[in-house]
Amino acid sequence: QTVVTQEPSLTVSPGGTVTLTCSSSTGPVTSDDFPNWYQQKPGQAPRALIYSTSTRHSWTPARFSGSLLGGRAALTLSGVQPEDEAAYYCLLHLGDTQLVFGGGTKLTVL
Amino acid sequence: DVQLVQSEAEVKKPGESLRISCQASGYTFNRYWIAWVRQMPGKGLEWMGIIYPDDSDTRYNPAFQGQVTISVDESLSTTYLHWSNLRVSDTAFYYCTRGHDADYWGQGTLVTVSS
Repeated sequence: QTVVTQEPSLTVSPGGTVTLTCSSSTGPVTSDDFPNWYQQKPGQAPRALIYSTSTRHSWTPARFSGSLLGGRAALTLSGVQPEDEAAYYCLLHLGDTQLVFGGGTKLTVL
Repeated sequence: DVQLVQSEAEVKKPGESLRISCQASGYTFNRYWIAWVRQMPGKGLEWMGIIYPDDSDTRYNPAFQGQVTISVDESLSTTYLHWSNLRVSDTAFYYCTRGHDADYWGQGTLVTVSS
């Protein structure tokens, strides 16, 4: 079973910039893996942020951006707000029955 | 507006069966796959499987194959997740979500299995 790895935790100051990454045990992440990103706050369902590597949903603030970086999928938050404190998950499409979530990154805004 | 509304929380005993539901509205139901995602207490998200309402084509994560059954009632715009023999380890939140991109999510159903 493919393992998708994210940083377990990151800390960023309000107004700062932080990049979260998502890597696959099978090799470099590419646009063919259609990386998606989700935000989940405590007690809430996940909310979709980014699909197909870098496309924002209509509700996603512009401070969230997706990219590929050194063989990994990346989510960059610029001008971090206190309300961005949450868990973030990536999802990779590795086949019809191989859609795999990363373990999640807990982002602390401090 | 697109909405996925899930059934209420359930408390069951080991060995019992259970079916939870996810009713969709606000879009053409049979044109989008519906997936199910598990989140065990304090843990991350796990993709369980997906169904296409138009023809009931269903794909499972191998880790969940044989453990659960995903089905659909197109006339009710509703997708189901079914267990025939619950285990304590099935205790979790279960979310339905639309499509391979999981753009819209249900509110989640908490399933508690305890003797």
